[in-house]
Amino acid sequence: SAVISQKPSRDICQRGTSLTIQCQVDSQVTMMFWYRQQPGQSLTLIATANQGSEATYESGFVIDKFPISRPNLTFSTLTVSNMSPEDSSIYLCSVEEEGTYEQYFGPGTRLTVT
Amino acid sequence: GENVEQHPSTLSVQEGDSAVIKCTYSDSASNYFPWYKQELGKGPQLIIDIRSNVGEKKDQRIAVTLNKTAKHFSLHITETQPEDSAVYFCAATGFQKLVFGTGTRLLVSP
Repeated sequence: SAVISQKPSRDICQRGTSLTIQCQVDSQVTMMFWYRQQPGQSLTLIATANQGSEATYESGFVIDKFPISRPNLTFSTLTVSNMSPEDSSIYLCSVEEEGTYEQYFGPGTRLTVT
Repeated sequence: GENVEQHPSTLSVQEGDSAVIKCTYSDSASNYFPWYKQELGKGPQLIIDIRSNVGEKKDQRIAVTLNKTAKHFSLHITETQPEDSAVYFCAATGFQKLVFGTGTRLLVSP
């Protein structure tokens, strides 16, 4: 399975600022996903990021708040904009092994907004 | 859209006992059902999965069963060990998107 890394692993940010999270994969993948996991909760899909096309956002998530880039087949970024304490969560990227539905997750970015 | 329910929310067992976690899903078109283990401070790890054309799958001490008619699937862990302690999530997908259950916190006591 693919090896996925995320940067930063954790951060503490002030409200009103923005943070960009990076996701790097050790192999080329078509499908990448960004999830949010609020403290003690399950995983919620934010958006699907395919290379060469605009990200597809799930209900309740908008591009202005969570802009995503996917410049190539091994890298993606998620920006959390104009942060508030409610944005304090773990943000996870995942990739799908080609044609299998199997998703593999990165270690997550733990964000605290004060 | 798909909705996945998971029970129980917490499960405490003694080392060596078996543990069973159950999930139900709503979309009859779903055809892939993975299980993830998430340890504290880590991302979810895919531990086993099953597809709609299979009723049961085993991998050493873990097994998953699927009943498509009833739209439920279960994770079975035998001979539990303290290192099995974690949060387990089921998920279901119909078209390239995973919908996760609410998670089960499993605690295995020595």
